[in-house]
Amino acid sequence: QVHLVQSGAEVKKPGASVKVSCKSSGYTFTSYGINWVRQAPGQGLEWMGWISGYSGKTNYLQKLQGRATLTTDTSTSTAYMELRSLRSDDTALYYCARGSPTAEGLYYAMDVWGQGTTVTVSS
Amino acid sequence: EIVLTQSPGTLSLSPGERATLSCRASQSVSSTYLAWYQQKPGQAPRLLIYGASSRATGIPDRFSGSGSGTDFTLTISRLEPEDFAVFYCQQHGSSPQTFGQGTKVEIK
Repeated sequence: QVHLVQSGAEVKKPGASVKVSCKSSGYTFTSYGINWVRQAPGQGLEWMGWISGYSGKTNYLQKLQGRATLTTDTSTSTAYMELRSLRSDDTALYYCARGSPTAEGLYYAMDVWGQGTTVTVSS
Repeated sequence: EIVLTQSPGTLSLSPGERATLSCRASQSVSSTYLAWYQQKPGQAPRLLIYGASSRATGIPDRFSGSGSGTDFTLTISRLEPEDFAVFYCQQHGSSPQTFGQGTKVEIK
């Protein structure tokens, strides 16, 4: 069975950084990419960025460029999302979701999702 | 950026009734790259429909998708108790990928 398992909830102060992991199993990690999607409390879904499991190429939502970094460790089939200079409006549930291996993450729907990681930013 | 507008915001229906959800795009979207997701409280989204009309693995045939260009529809032919949730459309053919704001289908 295909699974994405994310790391646990985080509480951070404004200005800090957070790094969320997403460990895949049940499929060949390098044959797909990983999207990151966040959901603020009571709000809809926002795509944040994508990383290829094959090449490590990335594509970011423009407003997060410079604050977000996506990486992978192919030896453990794990993707990571780091967000720096956290603000209160970064408080959200962060999901990883399987996607395209190429083409900036386009052309594949997100067919497998992690369980989500709550990130709370509060002083 | 392609903006997706879903309507209505909330749909109040009874089990057994038909649900029709709309997703309108600010510019043309290839139907190949239009998806629908279902999200229940406390759960991650689940892929229902991809390519505008193809059901994902394990999705019952009471769910169907249609449309092209800028207008897409998700139809649930007969609502089951487990179908009440929030539904999102998504385009993944143009960067950045975008989601609609969601339609909540609630029990009347």
